[in-house]
Amino acid sequence: GAGVSQSPSNKVTEKGKDVELRCDPISGHTALYWYRQSLGQGLEFLIYFQGNSAPDKSGLPSDRFSAERTGGSVSTLTIQRTQQEDSAVYLCASSRLDPLVGGQKQFFGPGTRLTVL
Amino acid sequence: AQSVTQLDSQVPVFEEAPVELRCNYSSSVSVYLFWYVQYPNQGLQLLLKYLSGSTLVKGINGFEAEFNKSQTSFHLRKPSVHISDTAEYFCAVSRRGGGSQGNLIFGKGTKLSVKP
Repeated sequence: GAGVSQSPSNKVTEKGKDVELRCDPISGHTALYWYRQSLGQGLEFLIYFQGNSAPDKSGLPSDRFSAERTGGSVSTLTIQRTQQEDSAVYLCASSRLDPLVGGQKQFFGPGTRLTVL
Repeated sequence: AQSVTQLDSQVPVFEEAPVELRCNYSSSVSVYLFWYVQYPNQGLQLLLKYLSGSTLVKGINGFEAEFNKSQTSFHLRKPSVHISDTAEYFCAVSRRGGGSQGNLIFGKGTKLSVKP
């Protein structure tokens, strides 16, 4: 597709269950980012991928959160034993990575709205 | 570490009036500066960015922003707003440098509400 896609668009789950969120970046974009948008915290960076590796996982809020990326393309964000405070919109973004300059435009997906009951 | 402050959480304004959305940042390293916009029920879109050069940056939809290094500010302006500009606006920074990971540090956002 032309843009970043995410699935599902909405996910309602019970506290304690595991969830998987998927991101399909723009073809050819080597950099992939996960962010979380919540009422209390605003937009927060979670994790960054360069290719299939994640040099920076510092934004992940706890060890219940993990993410992987395969084939330099699709990424999944997994939240284990979900808690109510995990309720938020999870956004994925991708960009080219310029080895000389940086500051590349990030293209955002529509997000997955997660509600933990 | 970097941080971004958007002083106004909400800005109501009448159509065709000018608007300024304020953004201040703090960083121990050089940064790039961005404004993103989120229209109702839509994803984030880049409005404009400052990488280097002229401190006055023009973006889409008639918006512009001016980088002021001494005041560590990057305020967003539009001389005449339209109803369609109603959205939430996010100021963001990322670390400067080639090959840098580029993750964005966002402000809390400013909701611009344009009234007829």
